[in-house]
Amino acid sequence: QQQVKQSPQSLIVQKGGISIINCAYENTAFDYFPWYQQFPGKGPALLIAIRPDVSEKKEGRFTISFNKSAKQFSLHIMDSQPGDSATYFCAASTELTGGGNKLTFGTGTQLKVEL
Amino acid sequence: DAGVIQSPRHEVTEMGQEVTLRCKPISGHDYLFWYRQTMMRGLELLIYFNNNVPIDDSGMPEDRFSAKMPNASFSTLKIQPSEPRDSAVYFCASSPRRGQPQHFGDGTRLSIL
Repeated sequence: QQQVKQSPQSLIVQKGGISIINCAYENTAFDYFPWYQQFPGKGPALLIAIRPDVSEKKEGRFTISFNKSAKQFSLHIMDSQPGDSATYFCAASTELTGGGNKLTFGTGTQLKVEL
Repeated sequence: DAGVIQSPRHEVTEMGQEVTLRCKPISGHDYLFWYRQTMMRGLELLIYFNNNVPIDDSGMPEDRFSAKMPNASFSTLKIQPSEPRDSAVYFCASSPRRGQPQHFGDGTRLSIL
């Protein structure tokens, strides 16, 4: 019930192309869906997030598409750049008993953007 | 602004030794989280605190693991005794209040020989 499935495991995209990473969840209690970007030797950093009452959110080159009925959401990176090469994690959040949010992470996608 | 600060960045020790990982959350953040990242299991929540009080430690793998938060600006995760299977990257994260994003530190890479 708490699992978040992420695909693909790795992705190679040409510079200027579109990178697409997909996630699916089971638990309908999830109410917040962030994407994190992680560079080697660094902690995950929040990239963009969406709540289930919205079907799409765009911030610069990054867009989240959310399909509540299918329980799926995806990250689109437009005009992908070599600097976007990193590991991307989707996550889903439920509110914890004592407050705060419990993040359940996907398994990660290693993105490489080639020149 | 300073982010979440973790120390040490790297720790190599022998099996059976006590290991203490440290975290300084972002000032003003009420929530503190400890995570573990491994290739096999990905990112897992170990424990979290609200206003220095441990709320949920159901993710702590064994009694060998313990965490404390003596004040709002400091937390420790201790492993005693350590085992090779504890080798992982341990992250600390904090968030300001309910519903707000979590901010991660750069982690401690722990290797138990």
